[in-house]
Amino acid sequence: DIQVTQSPSSVSASVGDKVTITCRTSHDVNGWLAWYQQKPGRAPNLLIYAASVLQDGVPSRFSGGGSGTDFTLTISNLQPEDFAIYYCQQADSFPYTFGQGTRLEIK
Amino acid sequence: QVRLQESGPGLVKPSQTLSLTCTVSGVSIVSGGDYWSWVRQRPGKGLEWLGSVYYLGDTHYNPSLESRAIILLDMEERNRFSLTLNSVTVADTAVYYCARDVMNRRIDVWGQGTTVIVSS
Repeated sequence: DIQVTQSPSSVSASVGDKVTITCRTSHDVNGWLAWYQQKPGRAPNLLIYAASVLQDGVPSRFSGGGSGTDFTLTISNLQPEDFAIYYCQQADSFPYTFGQGTRLEIK
Repeated sequence: QVRLQESGPGLVKPSQTLSLTCTVSGVSIVSGGDYWSWVRQRPGKGLEWLGSVYYLGDTHYNPSLESRAIILLDMEERNRFSLTLNSVTVADTAVYYCARDVMNRRIDVWGQGTTVIVSS
């Protein structure tokens, strides 16, 4: 199985800040890395897939990058609605695996 | 617009079988290109992929379930799929989500989730 490790596990930031979350996979996932946002009591919401492709309807302040085994999610100009938990997921091979999540909190 | 909705009992006794159904609207589960999946989230924990099935029969499960899970598509109604998990324990207490996996590359539509508690 491909292991997925996110960092940091939590981060504090202010409205207007820029935040970067990192995801590392144990094997090359050929760019098949997705990012999700989850708010309390809600289902996850797809933000980015194929490492850098923005899902329809997702604001452009969200961006993804990386290749091989190292990937990033960057949120620019943080808005109040962005404070949530973020997960990465490798979609290169079954079994799919998720990172442990990064909690983005208001400073 | 594609929508998914989970249904099933909210309480299951240990050692019994958990059965959930996902009703899909806005697309046929045999339209091709989509895998139909289950993901769960234990209380206060992260996301755990349980398994995915394609209408042509390609099925994959999380090995951590130790062969306890079966995911089936309803090929007659063509708008439902199910999860059966046998020999449940308290560790199976979780919110269970059904979801659509596009081209087995991204999970783009999720149900709202259903809470299942395993308790005697």
